[in-house]
Amino acid sequence: AQTVTQSQPEMSVQEAETVTLSCTYDTSESDYYLFWYKQPPSRQMILVIRQEAYKQQNATENRFSVNFQKAAKSFSLKISDSQLGDAAMYFCAFSNTGNQFYFGTGTSLTVIP
Amino acid sequence: DAGITQSPRHKVTETGTPVTLRCHQTENHRYMYWYRQDPGHGLRLIHYSYGVKDTDKGEVSDGYSVSRSKTEDFLLTLESATSSQTSVYFCAISEFPSRRATNEKLFFGSGTQLSVL
Repeated sequence: AQTVTQSQPEMSVQEAETVTLSCTYDTSESDYYLFWYKQPPSRQMILVIRQEAYKQQNATENRFSVNFQKAAKSFSLKISDSQLGDAAMYFCAFSNTGNQFYFGTGTSLTVIP
Repeated sequence: DAGITQSPRHKVTETGTPVTLRCHQTENHRYMYWYRQDPGHGLRLIHYSYGVKDTDKGEVSDGYSVSRSKTEDFLLTLESATSSQTSVYFCAISEFPSRRATNEKLFFGSGTQLSVL
């Protein structure tokens, strides 16, 4: 079975600073996908970034980047130059090639002005 | 944004009554999912569908049933609602990927807040 673990229920960061959210996962598969989703108070689930396991290069999307360590089964999200609008719940997710998606329990990020 | 509509957006019901939540998509995606979101649990899969009339159970399927008679519609039914089913319910869709697809992702609806009193 696949599991996704987010060990930080809550995190906070000063505006304009950098924060890293942690995620680990467990799988026996070699080909899979990893995601970070953002859920602001509006409740909408927004895809922040995705990573294919077969790619060694870490994905980046503007101020968002990941540190993908396949051997360690670690997938952390770094948010640079944090903005007030980044305040949200962040979910790490895993998908195998069978089109199943598994989610972590989430990290609530607070941005301090 | 992907065309996914969930209805209703909010619902309050009484214990023991049947409840049906609807998910409608305009993307013609093959896969559709129902998740529930609860504090401390993240999103947990209830049921999913990989085609018309093809469905399977997720990790928290007890007390729920689903139906998919058309590609665009996926219904979630609580046969006899209980207070433990008070939650936010999300529908999501995905296209079946070829191996090493570049567009593997889930698109979500706006969610349904269900309260069972």
